[in-house]
Amino acid sequence: DQQVKQNSPSLSVQEGRISILNCDYTNSMFDYFLWYKKYPAEGPTFLISISSIKDKNEDGRFTVFLNKSAKHLSLHIVPSQPGDSAVYFCAASVTSGSRLTFGEGTQLTVNP
Amino acid sequence: DVKVTQSSRYLVKRTGEKVFLECVQDMDHENMFWYRQDPGLGLRLIYFSYDVKMKEKGDIPEGYSVSREKKERFSLILESASTNQTSMYLCASKTSGARYEQYFGPGTRLTVT
Repeated sequence: DQQVKQNSPSLSVQEGRISILNCDYTNSMFDYFLWYKKYPAEGPTFLISISSIKDKNEDGRFTVFLNKSAKHLSLHIVPSQPGDSAVYFCAASVTSGSRLTFGEGTQLTVNP
Repeated sequence: DVKVTQSSRYLVKRTGEKVFLECVQDMDHENMFWYRQDPGLGLRLIYFSYDVKMKEKGDIPEGYSVSREKKERFSLILESASTNQTSMYLCASKTSGARYEQYFGPGTRLTVT
């Protein structure tokens, strides 16, 4: 039972344009969401997060949007840069828990 | 900065061998985790530990065991390696409390032949 799903295995965008990565979840107990970025041969690194009490969180070029009624979140990267090319994982947690549940990942390629 | 280190970047083992993967973190974190990453499956939790000598099964514990004798060290053990355990293994740690971010090591690429 995949509780966190990233339906797009890959996404390709031009440098300078917006990248939008999507994530859906099924467990209504999830109330904290995170995005991680992973380069080949490296561990994932934390990028940005959002609590369920918010619907938007922004950090520089990265913005995460949360739509609780649709159980959907998205990560916007504006403007996209070639260095953003990586696999992006969406993850979710419950407030009282320590563990994260990850999606399958989306490979983002930003073309110069 | 949090530093999570893993004992090997690449490992090749034979079927049936006992394999030890070691993870060390330097931030006094209470919680530690072992994941495996496979294409199209994302990161799947194998085991985690929220304190010394404590362990909890994750989503795919079969064929694995863990050991946490010291707070900074969390070991993953493959009792009898099989080819379907060929994967990227990632260790992570986090503090307890209100912060949810986990900090990952660089990973160990294990190949079982």
